[in-house]
Amino acid sequence: AQSVAQPEDQVNVAEGNPLTVKCTYSVSGNPYLFWYVQYPNRGLQFLLKYITGDNLVKGSYGFEAEFNKSQTSFHLKKPSALVSDSALYFCAVRLLTGNQFYFGTGTSLTVIP
Amino acid sequence: DGGITQSPKYLFRKEGQNVTLSCEQNLNHDAMYWYRQDPGQGLRLIYYSQIVNDFQKGDIAEGYSVSREKKESFPLTVTSAQKNPTAFYLCASSRHRAGAYNEQFFGPGTRLTVL
Repeated sequence: AQSVAQPEDQVNVAEGNPLTVKCTYSVSGNPYLFWYVQYPNRGLQFLLKYITGDNLVKGSYGFEAEFNKSQTSFHLKKPSALVSDSALYFCAVRLLTGNQFYFGTGTSLTVIP
Repeated sequence: DGGITQSPKYLFRKEGQNVTLSCEQNLNHDAMYWYRQDPGQGLRLIYYSQIVNDFQKGDIAEGYSVSREKKESFPLTVTSAQKNPTAFYLCASSRHRAGAYNEQFFGPGTRLTVL
């Protein structure tokens, strides 16, 4: 079975500091990996994705993520956090041969002024 | 929230009633999805459809039904058989599965509350 884990329910970081939101996955094939952000009472917004090639992918709002095949991880990062980054973040995986997206349980990020 | 609209934004239902949640997209996407979101549980797939007139059950399809008569529309009916329907419902779409790297686009969601 395919699964995505986000080990931290809550991450707190001071404004201006670097942030990391962790994601690991377990799949039976080559994955496509995604990060989404959700603001309160809103739908999810796409941030970035890994398909192939360079392990470091850059996305919207200054976010980036690093794909690590040996550790089966896809951590989301940002060099300098903003208060406006406070939101719920979801990691997702999809297989080439599958129809479904598999989501983690989400990590709530709070950036403290 | 891209080119996907969901209505209504808030919906209240009495026990024993069926309700239908609307989802429309103008992105010309082939695939559409319905998810349920509960606090601390992330997104759980209810149904998905890859093409018109075809759909598949997701992980929690019991008590729900869907139709896909038009490419643009994928309504979800929450039936009285759904034991705990109070939740936030999200509709999404993506381009054809042949491009499995295509991301999903989400609607703004409908919050359903059973009174």
